[in-house]
Amino acid sequence: GEDVEQSLFLSVREGDSSVINCTYTDSSSTYLYWYKQEPGAGLQLLTYIFSNMDMKQDQRLTVLLNKKDKHLSLRIADTQTGDSAIYFCAESNTGGFKTIFGAGTRLFVKA
Amino acid sequence: EAGVAQSPRYKIIEKRQSVAFWCNPISGHATLYWYQQILGQGPKLLIQFQNNGVVDDSQLPKDRFSAERLKGVDSTLKIQPAKLEDSAVYLCASSPQTAPTTKLFFGSGTQLSVL
Repeated sequence: GEDVEQSLFLSVREGDSSVINCTYTDSSSTYLYWYKQEPGAGLQLLTYIFSNMDMKQDQRLTVLLNKKDKHLSLRIADTQTGDSAIYFCAESNTGGFKTIFGAGTRLFVKA
Repeated sequence: EAGVAQSPRYKIIEKRQSVAFWCNPISGHATLYWYQQILGQGPKLLIQFQNNGVVDDSQLPKDRFSAERLKGVDSTLKIQPAKLEDSAVYLCASSPQTAPTTKLFFGSGTQLSVL
């Protein structure tokens, strides 16, 4: 069945870049997403990429997709303390009827 | 634009009791989802509605969980009777029908503790 896997923790210093990685198993995945969850809040969509793209950049965020290896990454440039949160990788296939989430990567940003 | 509204924010009950959660999606969003998020895990889909019809409820434990979406707007999720393993955050999300992607807009969730 479909599965999305992520590392559980990442710690970086303020001002450094953060790279959060994700692997997925569903080869029919059409859209891949990154969501952010702050304490006590619901998930917020950060960015998404269509499966025929290799890269997408949005201000401090860069998404890289290696479709052959089914590997997705999120790079946050100039990481700030406000970026401390849990980041979820997710995928859906054509029609988007079901979105599968990973377990989330908890990002700690040290001042 | 108002976001997805959920209530209550917190609920503590004893096992075997019943509980209900309420969700009001973003105005105009045809698709509504209920997710269960157990501590340390990602959200797991329980049920998906398109307007007031069920699209997917394959992961809903139907012996104890039920959900309805009357008039294609608000939705309620009920658990009866609750078990200890139902302790989790219950997230409601909505999505616009015409979006090419499934961009989900989440509420803040209801944190359920079953003692």
